[in-house]
Amino acid sequence: ESVLTQSPGTLSLSPGERATLSCRASQSVSSNSLAWYQQRPGRAPRLLIYGASSRATGIPDRFSGSGSGTDFTLTISSLEAADSAVYYCQQYGISPLTFGGGTKVEIK
Amino acid sequence: QLQLQESGPGLVQPSETLSLACTVSGGSISTRSHYWGWIRQPPGKGLEWIGNIYYNGSTYYNPSLDSRVTISLHTAKNQFFLKLRSVTAADTAIYYCARGPQGFDPWGQGTLVTVSS
Repeated sequence: ESVLTQSPGTLSLSPGERATLSCRASQSVSSNSLAWYQQRPGRAPRLLIYGASSRATGIPDRFSGSGSGTDFTLTISSLEAADSAVYYCQQYGISPLTFGGGTKVEIK
Repeated sequence: QLQLQESGPGLVQPSETLSLACTVSGGSISTRSHYWGWIRQPPGKGLEWIGNIYYNGSTYYNPSLDSRVTISLHTAKNQFFLKLRSVTAADTAIYYCARGPQGFDPWGQGTLVTVSS
């Protein structure tokens, strides 16, 4: 099983600042089959990034994904109040599909 | 626009079977280019993949739940289903259905299932 470790656990930043979220896999993620999700309180997760770096439909270009192999990053270039949420990474290259434990982004 | 909606009992007795349906609208469940999945989230915790089903009925399950899970589909009704047997309090969670394969998108709104007597 590919274990995904996300860091930091919580990120507290001001509007306009840049957020950098990390996701590290215990084994190489095949074909960069890595996705990122945003989950606001009381809502279902929303796909932001797939294939490690491709934005999903309707996702603003403030959100970008990068990385390969075992190390992946989600960057939010300029934070807005609406970005306050928990962010999860997920690998879908090998079964069982697994999710990271999440990073909570707080807006000061 | 593709939409998914979970439905089923919100309360299940311990040792009984949890049964949920996911109704897909705005697209066909029979598409060969996608699969359909179930994911759950215990209150206040992270996400756990339960399993996927393809248009032809092929299934893949999380080994941690494999012995208790069955996912099936009904193409004529454009629905797919989750059955989880012998539930305990640890199965209390919000259950989501979603479409794959390049990440899960979209998701249903989720349904809270509580296991309690």
